[in-house]
Amino acid sequence: NAGVMQNPRHLVRRRGQEARLRCSPMKGHSHVYWYRQLPEEGLKFMVYLQKENIIDESGMPKERFSAEFPKEGPSILRIQQVVRGDSAAYFCASSPSILGGPEAFFGQGTRLTVV
Amino acid sequence: GESVGLHLPTLSVQEGDNSIINCAYSNSASDYFIWYKQESGKGPQFIIDIRSNMDKRQGQRVTVLLNKTVKHLSLQIAATQPGDSAVYFCAENIANAGGTSYGKLTFGQGTILTVHP
Repeated sequence: NAGVMQNPRHLVRRRGQEARLRCSPMKGHSHVYWYRQLPEEGLKFMVYLQKENIIDESGMPKERFSAEFPKEGPSILRIQQVVRGDSAAYFCASSPSILGGPEAFFGQGTRLTVV
Repeated sequence: GESVGLHLPTLSVQEGDNSIINCAYSNSASDYFIWYKQESGKGPQFIIDIRSNMDKRQGQRVTVLLNKTVKHLSLQIAATQPGDSAVYFCAENIANAGGTSYGKLTFGQGTILTVHP
């Protein structure tokens, strides 16, 4: 059973470009969480999605950021018109139920660098 | 705002010693707490969790203690090994206004544990 797969592992974008980060949850998991981690800081919650639904996006910046989890395919975190402050590691976690937490597994992350 | 924080940002120990990593939290509505280990370039790895109605839980070489009176959480690692070197995070899950909780976690800053052979 493969773990949570995130790609790409490293992504370099110029200011103003778009970044698309993908997260394939573990088999049988229909709940996905996205977190952002700045250097030497803890993870910060961004958004919680179930298949085709955004449940909680309280941690998402109001502009330029969007997330989706379609019926088929991976969850996508999209950042439009990236700025240097978007440089961070982005992690997703998946869980089989709404409880998340101890049941959730994290991916290896995508490290976004904006130049 | 309410948050989860750590007392010590770094901890250095000798191989074989016991390690204690501390965490303070401020939200009394926390449903459960989790300790994660994060190695360089990797995602957080679950170590152990504890429900808010417990005060102690043991795993393999690890023990988590919860003191709700002073809102303090600790992770004890017995016979620390070089492979334990990593950043350790505590995280809490807070029930929402409806009384249910889902997997949204609030993470602390992290403690860097370095184990010397």
